[in-house]
Amino acid sequence: ELKVEQNPLFLSMQEGKNYTIYCNYSTTSDRLYWYRQDPGKSLESLFVLLSNGAVKQEGRLMASLDTKARLSTLHITAAVHDLSATYFCAVDIYGGATNKLIFGTGTLLAVQP
Amino acid sequence: SAVISQKPSRDICQRGTSLTIQCQVDSQVTMMFWYRQQPGQSLTLIATANQGSEATYESGFVIDKFPISRPNLTFSTLTVSNMSPEDSSIYLCSVVDLYDILNGEYEQYFGPGTRLTVT
Repeated sequence: ELKVEQNPLFLSMQEGKNYTIYCNYSTTSDRLYWYRQDPGKSLESLFVLLSNGAVKQEGRLMASLDTKARLSTLHITAAVHDLSATYFCAVDIYGGATNKLIFGTGTLLAVQP
Repeated sequence: SAVISQKPSRDICQRGTSLTIQCQVDSQVTMMFWYRQQPGQSLTLIATANQGSEATYESGFVIDKFPISRPNLTFSTLTVSNMSPEDSSIYLCSVVDLYDILNGEYEQYFGPGTRLTVT
């Protein structure tokens, strides 16, 4: 059974600090998404990582993908309160005629002023 | 990027009734998906909606409970049948952009969701 696990599940951090969210998955995939979800809202796409070694950065967030280790990371630099949200990774599974996303457990990030 | 709308945005329904959720996309897309997000949980794929053929359901989801229609490349419906309180969730429509697929580059977008409460 395919598993996509994130850790930590909950992260409380102070503004200005750095931290990393980890996403481990149990099957072969070279494509992974990171999404952000604010309370009561839908999902906002943050990053699409397309190959081994891919690294993307947007503002205070940087995502990377290691397909050999089946690991993606989302690094937060100098956190600010506006980053408080739930972050999901999602592994793209291609099944021939179609693809589908398998989501991680989610990480609830609370940035304290 | 594709713009997705869903109707209704939220509803409160009685046990035993059915609700049909609509998903409209502003461009033609090959793949449409329906996800469920139970309270405080992650997203679970219900089915892939294929235009012109039966939907493909994931393990644990059946057509009798979640019938899906996909009459064209811009529209789909999901019905939640014979509802129980356990069906209280957010239901999200998702699409993969058609243009990007042809170039080997695609992204998956999500609609605003339908928040369903079953009493």
